[in-house]
Amino acid sequence: DSGVTQTPKHLITATGQRVTLRCSPRSGDLSVYWYQQSLDQGLQFLIQYYNGEERAKGNILERFSAQQFPDLHSELNLSSLELGDSALYFCASSVGGSLAGVYNEQFFGPGTRLTVL
Amino acid sequence: GQNIDQPTEMTATEGAIVQINCTYQTSGFNGLFWYQQHAGEAPTFLSYNVLDGLEEKGRFSSFLSRSKGYSYLLLKELQMKDSASYLCAVHGSGNTGKLIFGQGTTLQVKP
Repeated sequence: DSGVTQTPKHLITATGQRVTLRCSPRSGDLSVYWYQQSLDQGLQFLIQYYNGEERAKGNILERFSAQQFPDLHSELNLSSLELGDSALYFCASSVGGSLAGVYNEQFFGPGTRLTVL
Repeated sequence: GQNIDQPTEMTATEGAIVQINCTYQTSGFNGLFWYQQHAGEAPTFLSYNVLDGLEEKGRFSSFLSRSKGYSYLLLKELQMKDSASYLCAVHGSGNTGKLIFGQGTTLQVKP
């Protein structure tokens, strides 16, 4: 158990719908990262938040958005869902992760499996 | 661009040694991670290299050559439970914690 929690574990929805995925980082970790993993792709970085502020953005679609709240939990919102959005969505956290050259082990949550029908 | 290459699949025998290679071309380098991922589960940390050389941790070792953009993960005394995907990830440049992952190498350990 990494200490990172994600809810829900599974989510089945229809095209065009909107869903929210939730992540609680390990106690003391300030950075939260979101990754997408589909069957034919490796882990794709979506976005990073550090202490409530957006720190880095990857190939995140405009239909997707995220935020990190004052208690450091984070939510990933996916809207106008398409079949291709079906994937495992992982949240990870690290203590820092905002400085180049600083050791940055990321601890991954169990993931949310999203199925869009 | 940013590119990380690993073999897609490998097969090895229980008790043997296997080496999984990773080559990378990234804009900046602040360390290389290896993660293990069993199907449908979260990636778990195996090793970290930031300086050239070999890091040993029990049955697992990882090597880095920054000048060659090359790393490998060495697994000794293979066990059936080592069947999993092994992900190479680079911590690139900039003041972010972003990790760039390779596609992963699926290792099958056979009796």
